[in-house]
Amino acid sequence: SQQGEEDPQALSIQEGENATMNCSYKTSINNLQWYRQNSGRGLVHLILIRSNEREKHSGRLRVTLDTSKKSSSLLITASRAADTASYFCATDGREDGSEKLVFGKGTKLTVNP
Amino acid sequence: DAGVTQSPTHLIKTRGQQVTLRCSPKSGHDTVSWYQQALGQGPQFIFQYYEEEERQRGNFPDRFSGHQFPNYSSELNVNALLLGDSALYLCASSLAIEDLYSYNEQFFGPGTRLTVL
Repeated sequence: SQQGEEDPQALSIQEGENATMNCSYKTSINNLQWYRQNSGRGLVHLILIRSNEREKHSGRLRVTLDTSKKSSSLLITASRAADTASYFCATDGREDGSEKLVFGKGTKLTVNP
Repeated sequence: DAGVTQSPTHLIKTRGQQVTLRCSPKSGHDTVSWYQQALGQGPQFIFQYYEEEERQRGNFPDRFSGHQFPNYSSELNVNALLLGDSALYLCASSLAIEDLYSYNEQFFGPGTRLTVL
């Protein structure tokens, strides 16, 4: 089954720096989403990019999607200590009309004050 | 709007026991999905309920079963618990999609942390 795989697995930066996380997946998708999770709690939806979009912005977040390479990236600009969390990409299938989300293992981001 | 709520927050069980987890969807949502998240991993899809029926199922054994009630709330039941069932169980609610290419955002609850000893 398709699966998003993020890299790096862990990322540590200083406050004010930019953080870039990458995600690769295996099969055709309708959409790709990024979620944030604080310390094993619930997931918070950050941004959704549709398969016919190449780039999307939301505040300090910038997401790109390259369907030819089956990859996406999440850029967080001017990071803050409060951005410390795990970030997951999730895809939903197109081939079977699936609504289920398939998550990668996530990138653990630490922003040091 | 309370959003998606789950109960209990934490649960400790022993091997072989049975457990029931509960989820109340966000107001107006009719679809509930359940995910299992092991420590250090991403969430894994268990199943989805719509109109009180299981509509889709992930790669989980029959020990995992569920139910959706007329008010759209849902339960996840796990029988014959194994140590490997220890995980954070997440519930997500959404509106049913209208066609193959539309999408309605899934809203996640805070999860139930299950520990099996």
